[in-house]
Amino acid sequence: GAVVSQHPSRVICKSGTSVKIECRSLDFQATTMFWYRQFPKKSLMLMATSNEGSKATYEQGVEKDKFLINHASLTLSTLTVTSAHPEDSSFYICSAHEKDRFRVTEAFFGQGTRLTVV
Amino acid sequence: GQQLNQSPQSMFIQEGEDVSMNCTSSSIFNTWLWYKQDPGEGPVLLIALYKAGELTSNGRLTAQFGITRKDSFLNISASIPSDVGIYFCAGQLKGGSEKLVFGKGTKLTVNP
Repeated sequence: GAVVSQHPSRVICKSGTSVKIECRSLDFQATTMFWYRQFPKKSLMLMATSNEGSKATYEQGVEKDKFLINHASLTLSTLTVTSAHPEDSSFYICSAHEKDRFRVTEAFFGQGTRLTVV
Repeated sequence: GQQLNQSPQSMFIQEGEDVSMNCTSSSIFNTWLWYKQDPGEGPVLLIALYKAGELTSNGRLTAQFGITRKDSFLNISASIPSDVGIYFCAGQLKGGSEKLVFGKGTKLTVNP
């Protein structure tokens, strides 16, 4: 199956700094990618939809100025956590879909990034 | 946001036993996807389903797309210790966007 690569897998940063997470689709082009946040023992919570060449679409309650998303090419989306605080510590996961004309056929996830803000 | 009703929440079984879990919704889905997630990793796609009634296998795993298009189940036969993990269902709503709706997960523990 298709591969989505996410980097870094783990990052520790100081409060107030910014952290960039990359998500790459390695063998297919993705006009749309998705960013999720996962709390311990919980399901995935969609944060935003990353759209190639245009602005990201954020879910309700997600601060767009805090979580900056850039999707500059068909294979790369980045999530930047700006001015990070300890409460931003979490597991962040990206995904990309393969689809036909009518529906999503497969959705592949990156390996996830464990962010710890100290 | 909308979520699928996934059950059971957790299962404790003996190695060699069969396992069944399911997801239901009041909405109709175009696609059902089943994932396994290990600690500290992203979800890995196990099976994808596209047609009502479709029954698909992947090794010891079998999943079905419900006839009503509102539910799906995943079976694991002859469980082994490496089956331990959290299993999620996900679906794309009929007429909806590309966004997926997720179940809350089933945590599987297999005792050797």
